[in-house]
Amino acid sequence: EIVLTQSPGTLSLSPGERATLSCRASQSVSSSYLAWYQQKPGQAPRLLIYGASSRATGIPDRFSGGGSGTDFTLTISRLEPEDFAVYYCQQYGSSPQTFGQGTKVEIK
Amino acid sequence: EVQLVESGGGLVQPGGSLRLSCSASGFTFISYAMHWVRQAPGKGLEYVSAISSHGGSTYYADSVKGRFTISRDNSKNTLYFQMSSLRAEDTAVYYCVKGSPTSVPRPFDYWGQGTLVTVSS
Repeated sequence: EIVLTQSPGTLSLSPGERATLSCRASQSVSSSYLAWYQQKPGQAPRLLIYGASSRATGIPDRFSGGGSGTDFTLTISRLEPEDFAVYYCQQYGSSPQTFGQGTKVEIK
Repeated sequence: EVQLVESGGGLVQPGGSLRLSCSASGFTFISYAMHWVRQAPGKGLEYVSAISSHGGSTYYADSVKGRFTISRDNSKNTLYFQMSSLRAEDTAVYYCVKGSPTSVPRPFDYWGQGTLVTVSS
């Protein structure tokens, strides 16, 4: 199975700053079937990005995804207060689908 | 509007059994694969099981294989997860997730609110 490793584990930033999250795969992710999710305490994950770089419905354009092959990034251009949360990457092109361990974006 | 509502969670003793249900609405349930994803307290997401649209194909993570059974009743728009021989490490919030209508992979765009299963004596 494809192992996804996210870094850093925790990102401490201030509102208005730029956040860059990394997701590295143990083997190439087919057809860039890579997604990013946001999860806040007590809530289900919410789809942000799919196909490595396409924003899901209703997701603000401050969220952007990039990368291909084994290296992917999620960028939040200017952090809003509601963006402080845990972010997970997922590959859904190979069975079994797998998730990264998560990156927590916390207020500095 | 797509809705997935899980039920059936609760406190169970080690070795016990529990059946989770997920009632689906707002989409043509029979056309979509469905999944279960779980999250232990304070931990990340773990993909545990899937079932094809007509139930003919299933997947289980090694951590639950042989103990859990996924099934669906398309006449009732309901997904099930029969959990047996439960262990402390099965303690988690279990999410029902809408899958893809075809063999083309799709991300998880709709999730239920989750139901908490606690395995403890």
